[in-house]
Amino acid sequence: SQTIHQWPATLVQPVGSPLSLECTVEGTSNPNLYWYRQAAGRGLQLLFYSVGIGQISSEVPQNLSASRPQDRQFILSSKKLLLSDSGFYLCAWSAGLSGANVLTFGAGSRLTVL
Amino acid sequence: AQSVAQPEDQVNVAEGNPLTVKCTYSVSGNPYLFWYVQYPNRGLQFLLKYITGDNLVKGSYGFEAEFNKSQTSFHLKKPSALVSDSALYFCAVAANSGYALNFGKGTSLLVTP
Repeated sequence: SQTIHQWPATLVQPVGSPLSLECTVEGTSNPNLYWYRQAAGRGLQLLFYSVGIGQISSEVPQNLSASRPQDRQFILSSKKLLLSDSGFYLCAWSAGLSGANVLTFGAGSRLTVL
Repeated sequence: AQSVAQPEDQVNVAEGNPLTVKCTYSVSGNPYLFWYVQYPNRGLQFLLKYITGDNLVKGSYGFEAEFNKSQTSFHLKKPSALVSDSALYFCAVAANSGYALNFGKGTSLLVTP
C-alpha cells in the first residue's frame, strides 16, 4: 500500500532563517506531488506541484521554492523565512495526470515563524 | 481559472438532524469535484468525488453530494449527523483538462449532542 510521510511535524524558526520541509511517498512510482499551505487553520492554497523529477510548477509567487530531486521526494524550501510564512504545510500525492485522481495527504508540518 | 466557493464559514447541526455543507464552483469545461474532511491538526481525508455519470455521489461515513450543473453546485449532505462528524470540510475542483486541484476555504461543521 502507498504511504506518505512528512517531516518535521512541527517547526519553530526565527525570521530570516532557512527552511526545509521534506515529503516522501512509498509504494508507488511517478506520483504527482503537491505542496499546499493552510494559514490560520483555514483555507488551502496550492503552492507547488510536480509531475516528474525536476519538474516544478509554481501557483503563486512567494518566498518559497520546491524541488523534486528523486521520483518520490518533494522538498519545500526557503532561504529566509518571513512571519507570513507561518502556517500548516501539507504534502500530497496523486497517481497519473488527471485531475480526477484522488489526493492523498500527509499529516502536515506546522511552521511557526517568530 | 477554476475556483470554489464555500459560502458558510461554520455550520451548526444537532445530532440526528440532516446536514448540508454548501459548495459552488467555477471552471472551464467539465469539472471534477471533490469533498475532503480534516480533523484537528491532521491532513485531509478524501470523502467522495464526482467525475461523470449519476449526479448523486455516495462516499465515506454516510456522506453524499449532489452535482447540479445548472447551479454549478456540489453540496455535501448527510441524512443524520453524528457528533463525530464535527470537522473542517473542504470542497475542491479540477478542470478535466488539467490536474491541479483547487480548494475552497473550508466550512467548519459542529454537531452538538
